[in-house]
Amino acid sequence: DTAVSQTPKYLVTQMGNDKSIKCEQNLGHDTMYWYKQDSKKFLKIMFSYNNKELIINETVPNRFSPKSPDKAHLNLHINSLELGDSAVYFCASSQDLGGAAYNEQFFGPGTRLTVL
Amino acid sequence: GIQVEQSPPDLILQEGANSTLRCNFSDSVNNLQWFHQNPWGQLINLFYIPSGTKQNGRLSATTVATERYSLLYISSSQTTDSGVYFCAVDQAGTALIFGKGTTLSVSS
Repeated sequence: DTAVSQTPKYLVTQMGNDKSIKCEQNLGHDTMYWYKQDSKKFLKIMFSYNNKELIINETVPNRFSPKSPDKAHLNLHINSLELGDSAVYFCASSQDLGGAAYNEQFFGPGTRLTVL
Repeated sequence: GIQVEQSPPDLILQEGANSTLRCNFSDSVNNLQWFHQNPWGQLINLFYIPSGTKQNGRLSATTVATERYSLLYISSSQTTDSGVYFCAVDQAGTALIFGKGTTLSVSS
């Protein structure tokens, strides 16, 4: 009964490759997110989708492309991987309560990406 | 943008000790959450507390929104409390802005 799940948990790949990380939530939430945690453990928002529509697109290289096939899924595709992309990527979800209403976010287990 | 500052950055405790972690934020917020990132990297929701006080077992949290700070109290600490504690805020019902965390080490 995992709420937010991600696959794979670990991803080791070579520079220049293309890879995808998948995220699924079974909480019935409307909004999903991708966050990146760097080597100093700092967490930063990358993207946010609400009902399959892109809401937030922070300053992220366009090699990163999120795709939301439906409300329950938000995948992250990364082209031409670079050494600096090595990090832990977290997916999260929350219920859209409208406007600036409160909405608690729940996080997946993370995907540790290592680029060699 | 809004700034989130957590203190102390590091904390070392003996098992059984109590501690207080602080989170200051620079602007009004609609959402504030505390997380524990355990040694395996999982982010565990501790509290969703934009204002007021909540308690869950040995942990409690207080947010004073008008003064722009939140406190996380850990009582009778255990080795399993070790890890990084993050405070994160949200201004507009969108993305969370995280502090840099407090790294807690509890030894037996």
